[in-house]
Formats: sequence, structure tokens, C-alpha cells
Amino acid sequence: EDKVVQSPLSLVVHEGDTVTLNCSYEVTNFRSLLWYKQEKKAPTFLFMLTSSGIEKKSGRLSSILDKKELFSILNITATQTGDSAVYLCAVEAISGGSNYKLTFGKGTLLTVNP
Amino acid sequence: EAGVTQFPSHSVIEKGQTVTLRCDPISGHDNLYWYRRVMGKEIKFLLHFVKESKQDESGMPNNRFLAERTGGTYSTLKVQPAELEDSGVYFCASSQEWGFTYGYTFGSGTRLTVV
Repeated sequence: EDKVVQSPLSLVVHEGDTVTLNCSYEVTNFRSLLWYKQEKKAPTFLFMLTSSGIEKKSGRLSSILDKKELFSILNITATQTGDSAVYLCAVEAISGGSNYKLTFGKGTLLTVNP
Repeated sequence: EAGVTQFPSHSVIEKGQTVTLRCDPISGHDNLYWYRRVMGKEIKFLLHFVKESKQDESGMPNNRFLAERTGGTYSTLKVQPAELEDSGVYFCASSQEWGFTYGYTFGSGTRLTVV
């Protein structure tokens, strides 16, 4: 069975700190790894990673994938209180035939205090 | 562009009753997915539609759950009869093609509480 493990489950930091969130996976027929940010409602898309070693960056957020060691990290620099959220890691894999589905980790709850 | 819309946002029903959840995907998105998060657990896949066809329903827990997508537009997920363990947040997501380029867009979810 496909599995995604995120760590830590919860993290509390002060504004301005840099954080690294981890995601390891064991899946068959890997296609991509996605990061989402979930505040109160819908998970919102951050990054999709398909190739090893290529950093994706958006403002203070960046992410990289290691397909050999089967993990990804999400970095947030100079954290702000608005970064407080649950960060979800999901792996997209083939699910029979040419269908794809996502397997999620439990998420990392990040709390940024002023 | 309007996002993925789910209705209702929250539903509280008694064990044994029926509930129907609705999802309106982004217009033009052929792929529609249902996922569920039970408290304390990961978000888990339920099923996948391509247009009106069920492509993969391997995640549906049992035959008390019925999903439809008539006309390939909105989708409904009916739970009948509801049990206590059905409580959780039901998410709908849609994507263009296979979601490869654009990722998956999620709705805000329907929180179902069975008492």
C-alpha cells in the first residue's frame, strides 16, 4: 500500500524563523509529489515536483524532491504569522490502467507566533 | 475562474439517515475526485470520475456510498444509511487532463458529522 509520512506533525516557531518540513514516501508507479497549504478551508496548491534535484521556488517558499531517497522538503524562510497552516504532502501515482490518484501524509501543523 | 464548490459546508445527521454531498468542479475539468479525511487520519482517496464515467472507485468504503456525475458536470456523493464512522471531511477536487501540469484544485470540503 502506498504510504506518505510527514514530519514533524506539529511545529511552533517565531516570526522570522526558517522552517523545513519533511515528506518521505513509498509508492508504486510514482508520477509527482505535490505540496498544499491548508488554512481554514480548501487545500491550496503550492508546488508540483516531478524531477529530482530541481528546486521550485515561490517567494519565501521553496521545495525540492529526491527520487532516489524518496523524500521532499518544503522550506519557508522569514516566516510570517500568515504562514500558519497545515502543510500537506501528497504523492500522485498510477492507480490501475492510466488512472492517477493522490496519497496524502497526515500534514504538518505550522504555527508562527509574532 | 470560479473554484471547486462544495455544498453543504457542514452537515449533522443522525445514524441511519441519508446525506447527499454535492461538488461543482471547475468548468471544463473532466477529472473529478472525491477524498475523505477522518479525524486523526490522512486524507484518503475515494473515487475518480472522467467526465461521467467512474474510472476508479477502489477507495469507496462500502456499498453505502454512491457517487454519481450525471452529464459530466457536478457530482453527488450519497451516504445511505449513514454510520458513525462516516463522520469526517469530504473533499472534492478537479483537474484538467490528468492533473499533470496544473495540479489538482480542491474544494473547501463538507464536514459530515453523524451522531
